[in-house]
Order: sequence, then C-alpha cells, then structure tokens
Amino acid sequence: DQQVKQNSPSLSVQEGRISILNCDYTNSMFDYFLWYKKYPAEGPTFLISISSIKDKNEDGRFTVFLNKSAKHLSLHIVPSQPGDSAVYFCAASATSGTYKYIFGTGTRLKVLA
Amino acid sequence: SQTIHQWPATLVQPVGSPLSLECTVEGTSNPNLYWYRQAAGRGLQLLFYSVGIGQISSEVPQNLSASRPQDRQFILSSKKLLLSDSGFYLCAWSSLGGGTEAFFGQGTRLTVV
Repeated sequence: DQQVKQNSPSLSVQEGRISILNCDYTNSMFDYFLWYKKYPAEGPTFLISISSIKDKNEDGRFTVFLNKSAKHLSLHIVPSQPGDSAVYFCAASATSGTYKYIFGTGTRLKVLA
Repeated sequence: SQTIHQWPATLVQPVGSPLSLECTVEGTSNPNLYWYRQAAGRGLQLLFYSVGIGQISSEVPQNLSASRPQDRQFILSSKKLLLSDSGFYLCAWSSLGGGTEAFFGQGTRLTVV
C-alpha cells in the first residue's frame, strides 16, 4: 500500500521557468510533509517542509503548497536552474505516533539550459 | 553541529554471506534512527526505525535485521544475503519527537553477486 505517491516519474523544464512537482498521500494521520533532493549515489538532502496547520511555506526559490482536503502537496521551484536537476522525493510523517517518514517514489527533474 | 556517518560506501558481497552496515550520529542525543533502502529505479523504502536503545521496529518482513546497541549507533545486518538484497542503503536520524526533518547519511551501495 503506497501511502505517499508521486505519479510523475520525470519532468523536464526550461531554465528560468517554474518547476512544479506533485505528491499525493492517503493517510489522514500525516501532518508533517517534507521535500528532499537527491543526486545519484548520495543521501537525500532536506529542502523544505510544511506542517498541516499551514497551506504554504516558502524558502527562497522553493515553495511548498499543501491542500489537506485533497491530500495533495506540491513543490514549486522558481526560477528553475540547471543545478536543480535531481530526483525529488516527498515524504510524510505523523507527529503523534511513531515519527517514521514515508517517502514517495520520486520525480526526476531535468532543467534544460 | 550534528553529523551522520555511514560505512562502507560500497560493498560487493556473494550470495549467502553475512552483512553488517554501521551508522553513527554525532552531536545529538536520543535521536530517532532509520534504515531505508532504495532499490534500482524505486523510491525510498523504510526498513527499520528506532526510538531508543534496543527498540527496533521492522516495517517489512525480509532477510535483514537491525540493532541499536548504543544511543547513536544503528546497525543493519543479515546472516545470509540474497540477490534481492542489492540496493542503496541509507541511514537517517531525526530529533526525538516529531515535526522535524530527517537527515541522511551518504549511503552504502550493496551489490550481492
């Protein structure tokens, strides 16, 4: 049972344009959501997170939006840069409980120069 | 500052041989600890997590086991490796409690031949 889903395995965007990565979850107990960036043969690097009490969190070029009713979150990268090319994972956790992080299957972003 | 060390970086092991991967965290106390696996072309699958010494929760039945002999040490083991155990293994830690990000080690590429 895939509780966190990233339905787009890959995405290509022109440099300077907006990248939008999507993530859906099924478990209503999840109340903390994260995005990670991963390069091959390296561990994931934390990018940005959002608590369920918010619907938007912004950090520089990265903004995460949360739609609780739709159980959907998205990561916007504006403007996209070639260095953003990587695999992006969304993750979810339930802060009252076991504190484990459930990850999606990832979206490979390619930013074209 | 907190750091996480994971070794070895790469490992090639024959089928039926034992496995021991070690992970240590510095600069924090009482962390939550996690082992994840990324199989080829797949997402990050949670294998084990621990909220304290000797407390191990297994997420998927498999050929692997985990132990936490000290507060900041997490070990992934197998008595007899299978071909299907090949993958990229990642250790991670987070602060005790919820609502914070997890930090990952650099990973171990395990190839079972």
